[in-house]
Amino acid sequence: AQTVTQSQPEMSVQEAETVTLSCTYDTSESNYYLFWYKQPPSRQMILVIRQEAYKQQNATENRFSVNFQKAAKSFSLKISDSQLGDTAMYFCAFMNYGGSQGNLIFGKGTKLSVKP
Amino acid sequence: DTGVSQDPRHKITKRGQNVTFRCDPISEHNRLYWYRQTLGQGPEFLTYFQNEAQLEKSRLLSDRFSAERPKGSFSTLEIQRTEQGDSAMYLCASSASGTRIGIQYFGAGTRLSVL
Repeated sequence: AQTVTQSQPEMSVQEAETVTLSCTYDTSESNYYLFWYKQPPSRQMILVIRQEAYKQQNATENRFSVNFQKAAKSFSLKISDSQLGDTAMYFCAFMNYGGSQGNLIFGKGTKLSVKP
Repeated sequence: DTGVSQDPRHKITKRGQNVTFRCDPISEHNRLYWYRQTLGQGPEFLTYFQNEAQLEKSRLLSDRFSAERPKGSFSTLEIQRTEQGDSAMYLCASSASGTRIGIQYFGAGTRLSVL
């Protein structure tokens, strides 16, 4: 069974600084997707970034980028130029590529606070 | 694209009562998912529909839980004989096939409190 581990329950960063959130996962599959989702306080979960395991190039979305290390099963999220609106729970998630394209498997999340 | 809509946003019920939640996915999405999220945890998968067919069910989905998606549009999640352990946020998500495959769009959730 696949598992996702986020070892940092809480983190904080000063506005405009850079922060990196860690995620490791365990799977025997070779084709899969990895995601970072953001859940602001009392608001719905939104996708931050997606990485396809077969792509060696790390995904980037504006201020958000990932460091995908497939052999190490590591998938960290870097947020550059942190903004107050980045304050949220961040969840790392795994999806098996094959089969029915079904469920996401989430980590327990990292609570990020951006301080002015 | 009006997003994924869930109703109600909050539900307070007494133990033993039945509750039903509704999810309206993004209109062109053929896949619909239900998750449960408890405090301090990430969402846990409950079940998944492709069109009107229920294709996967988690072992978390006990016999007291039932989900439907008639005509492949909205979905309902019913919990019978609620227990205090059912208190959680119930999230619905939808996704489409094609280039955006795998990306799930979430609703705001229904928070259930069982007294």
